[in-house]
Parts: sequence; C-alpha cells; structure tokens
Amino acid sequence: DQQVKQNSPSLSVQEGRISILNCDYTNSMFDYFLWYKKYPAEGPTFLISISSIKDKNEDGRFTVFLNKSAKHLSLHIVPSQPGDSAVYFCAASDGYKLSFGAGTTVTVRA
Amino acid sequence: GAVVSQHPSWVICKSGTSVKIECRSLDFQATTMFWYRQFPKQSLMLMATSNEGSKATYEQGVEKDKFLINHASLTLSTLTVTSAHPEDSSFYICSAIRDSRIYEQYFGPGTRLTVT
Repeated sequence: DQQVKQNSPSLSVQEGRISILNCDYTNSMFDYFLWYKKYPAEGPTFLISISSIKDKNEDGRFTVFLNKSAKHLSLHIVPSQPGDSAVYFCAASDGYKLSFGAGTTVTVRA
Repeated sequence: GAVVSQHPSWVICKSGTSVKIECRSLDFQATTMFWYRQFPKQSLMLMATSNEGSKATYEQGVEKDKFLINHASLTLSTLTVTSAHPEDSSFYICSAIRDSRIYEQYFGPGTRLTVT
C-alpha cells in the first residue's frame, strides 16, 4: 500500500521558470517530510525537509509547503536551472522509517 | 561529512549464485543502516533495518533467508542475496544514520545487480 504518492511521473519546465512538484500522503502518523534529488545510478541526495509543525520551509531556490489538512506537500524550485534535471522523491517519516513516493522526473529545458 | 559508500557499484552474477553488497559509513559511526531496493521508475522500497550487533528487522514480504543482512560493526553492513534469480535484478541502495533521527539518512550510491 503506497502511503506516499507522487502522481506526476514527469515534469518539463523552461529554464528560469518555476518547477512545482506535488506529493500526497495517507498516513497521519507521518511527522517529518523530505525531498530528495536523484540522478541515475546514484543514491538520493537530501534537498530540503519540513516538520509537521510547520507549513513552509525555504532554502535558497527550494521551498517546501505542507498542508496537513489536505495531507499534501509540494516543492517549489525557483528559478529552475539545467542542473535541476533529475528525479525528485518525496519521503515521509513516522519516526521508524522513511516511505518514498515513486518520484517525478524533472527536465529543465534551455 | 556523512559519506556512505557501497561496493560493488555494479555486479553481474549467474542464477543460483550468491552475491554480497557492502555498505560503509566512511566518516561517522552508523547506529542504524537501511537497505532499499528500487525497480525502474519506481519508489525506493525499504527491505530491512539493521542495527549493529543485532538481527535485522525485515519489512513485510521480504524473505530474510534470501536477503541476509549482517551489521558487523558501526561502519559496515552487508547484504547477501542468496541463490539469486533474474527477478532479484534491481538497484540496491543502503543508507545510514548517526543517531536515532530516522529522517537524517545518508544514502550510498547504490549497487546495480543483474542476475543472468
């Protein structure tokens, strides 16, 4: 049973524009949420996270928004750069383990 | 800091043989290590959680006799795929944490296993 869902398998965005990635979850026990970036044949690298007590966290070009009532979070990347082209995974923690979404492949067009 | 390595990065083995994958935390002591499996275009699926000096905890549906995990020290965990079959072909990724903060996992680069 997939508790973390990323319904958009891919996203194409022009360089300089905003990328918005979405993630939904079902488990109300999740208390911490993370976004990872992954290149092919490599392990995920941490991007940004947010605690369930917050609704926004910002780090440079990356902002994560959390809507607990809707069990939804999103990642905004502004402005998008060619180096942002990768697979982005949403993950959620219940204190015992991380559950991952299926990923969204972002392609930034020049 | 917080670098995790995996060896080998890729391996090809014949059906019926066993293959061992190592996961090392290079610059910190890992209280807990995790093993994930990723199929193409799919999520990372947690296989098991291993703590140094104790038996691994396997997720539901993961065969513990097939995927042997040994966490011999605070810097090394190994995953052995026994009697490998083509359906075991996958990308295996380990991660490690320094303390009990599950959400601060440091991931290795992964191992591509192909069983012929």
